[in-house]
Amino acid sequence: NAGVTQTPKFRILKIGQSMTLQCAQDMNHNYMYWYRQDPGMGLKLIYYSVGAGITDKGEVPNGYNVSRSTTEDFPLRLELAAPSQTSVYFCASRPEGHTEKLFFGSGTQLSVL
Amino acid sequence: AQSVTQLGSHVSVSEGALVLLRCNYSSSVPPYLFWYVQYPNQGLQLLLKYTTGATLVKGINGFEAEFKKSETSFHLTKPSAHMSDAAEYFCAVSGVDSNYQLIWGAGTKLIIKP
Repeated sequence: NAGVTQTPKFRILKIGQSMTLQCAQDMNHNYMYWYRQDPGMGLKLIYYSVGAGITDKGEVPNGYNVSRSTTEDFPLRLELAAPSQTSVYFCASRPEGHTEKLFFGSGTQLSVL
Repeated sequence: AQSVTQLGSHVSVSEGALVLLRCNYSSSVPPYLFWYVQYPNQGLQLLLKYTTGATLVKGINGFEAEFKKSETSFHLTKPSAHMSDAAEYFCAVSGVDSNYQLIWGAGTKLIIKP
């Protein structure tokens, strides 16, 4: 049972480069989330989706884009990487009606130099 | 707006000692409250939750937390720490103020001394 799978686990980008963080879940969850985790700051919501074709901004969406063409996949796109986007990124999903039952991926550690 | 404050970015206890991790929240209405644990290089896992009913809630691995409305607190405790409890712990709140999105505390890293 794979759960939530994130790739890659680590990545170093140069300023201005772009990349896509991949997230896939096999639990048929409609709700999916992207968070960033900075030291001493807790989790900040970047974008979320309540189902295929529907996405919405969270607290810190600037510099990111998402798409949700299928229930399973929720990729996060960084178009012009900046040092401020150095962080650990977590994807999560949950079933309907259970705000707290988040299933997290193992994270992507991104450094922008 | 809802918010969460976790007192102490790091807490160090000896193996076998009491664990107390503090969480205070602000909310205009009774919130839902959660504790999550993050082991090194892993995502977060739900430890326990309070929604309604009994104010003392028990979670996995011997942890429990008590919702105290008068103190706006939801502190996490465990009577006897084990080396395997070393992790980062996050308190979170949700409710009508946040449109039921989770609002996260900054986290407390629990260090267990042998």
